[in-house]
Amino acid sequence: GQQVMQIPQYQHVQEGEDFTTYCNSSTTLSNIQWYKQRPGGHPVFLIQLVKSGEVKKQKRLTFQFGEAKKNSSLHITATQTTDVGTYFCAVNRDDKIIFGKGTRLHILP
Amino acid sequence: DGGITQSPKYLFRKEGQNVTLSCEQNLNHDAMYWYRQDPGQGLRLIYYSQIVNDFQKGDIAEGYSVSREKKESFPLTVTSAQKNPTAFYLCASSILHRQSIQETQYFGPGTRLLVL
Repeated sequence: GQQVMQIPQYQHVQEGEDFTTYCNSSTTLSNIQWYKQRPGGHPVFLIQLVKSGEVKKQKRLTFQFGEAKKNSSLHITATQTTDVGTYFCAVNRDDKIIFGKGTRLHILP
Repeated sequence: DGGITQSPKYLFRKEGQNVTLSCEQNLNHDAMYWYRQDPGQGLRLIYYSQIVNDFQKGDIAEGYSVSREKKESFPLTVTSAQKNPTAFYLCASSILHRQSIQETQYFGPGTRLLVL
């Protein structure tokens, strides 16, 4: 079945540095969603990408969908302590939704 | 105030007992989902329901059961057959469930189950 790999698993950055997480699929995706889960909290929807090569921005967050629709990335510019948490991608597979294992972001003061 | 509620927040269970986790939504969503999250891991789908009185198994349904008698409610029972039930359980809902493109999922606050 379709697998979705998310890397890295963990990332420690100094406050103010940039951060990127990647989601890769072995098959072409119809769309992809990104969620954020704060420590001790529940996942919250961030964005959905549908079109090949699509780029969307939310303040310091930039989301990209690859031209081949097999990969996606989330980039945070100048991280802040409020960015701490785990970022998940989610894709469709066989009428089900599967989540990547997530990238846990730690911010060092 | 619209949203998804899960209760209780923490639940302790003795080994060998069944336990039911509650999930209620007042968003008028057709689709509801149950996920399990283990420490440092992603979300794994247990069961989902596209409409009242219908539900399908997810990737890890063994040892769990669900019902969908009302649109707003989707309780999950963790049975004694589930060998490693200690986990964080998340319920979610979406407007509907489409095969080709997923709708936004709205998650409840979760229930942490600990088996003693």
